[in-house]
Amino acid sequence: QKEVEQNSGPLSVPEGAIASLNCTYSDRGSQSFFWYRQYSGKSPELIMFIYSNGDKEDGRFTAQLNKASQYVSLLIRDSQPSDSATYLCAVNFNAGKSTFGDGTTLTVKP
Amino acid sequence: DTGVSQNPRHKITKRGQNVTFRCDPISEHNRLYWYRQTLGQGPEFLTYFQNEAQLEKSRLLSDRFSAERPKGSFSTLEIQRTEQGDSAMYLCASSRPGHLQETQYFGPGTRLLVL
Repeated sequence: QKEVEQNSGPLSVPEGAIASLNCTYSDRGSQSFFWYRQYSGKSPELIMFIYSNGDKEDGRFTAQLNKASQYVSLLIRDSQPSDSATYLCAVNFNAGKSTFGDGTTLTVKP
Repeated sequence: DTGVSQNPRHKITKRGQNVTFRCDPISEHNRLYWYRQTLGQGPEFLTYFQNEAQLEKSRLLSDRFSAERPKGSFSTLEIQRTEQGDSAMYLCASSRPGHLQETQYFGPGTRLLVL
């Protein structure tokens, strides 16, 4: 079992819909959780991070964390074709390295 | 310059050759990380530095791989006797302790192709 698992894609949603991306992690001591977006051939770029249980909103993006269930999610509201990318979940146990999932590829169809 | 930079952006080499990549982190960031990413996979941790000290190395990092950060600023990653399995995107990231939960900011990557 991988340390960080993401729901297998690809995920396809129509423009304007809500896209829901999920991630589970195995290490209960994990402290910080990050969502990155990666366009094909490019490097990951940070969307947002979360470290407390509950929801965190930033524009059209909402991250949700449930440490008891070892689950973190990302919701994208009003999805746009420009949101089409691979979304990577990353987990930090402590200061230092991040452990990444393999990503979920999202396609937003006009 | 506000971002992480990496050079070269692309490298094609023949099997058995040595290659070296450079990473320049964001200037106020004292932590620097190297990752490797292959198609369809997430980035895999290789090693990281705090200032000039190499604090952790992945078991993935064979003895053909070496990384340095001699003055606590830029870092180099060298691969000796390259193999076709080394073909990947090599990503560098940097962070500042206590800043935004140690958010790591990535450079554009160096894409290596070993023929």
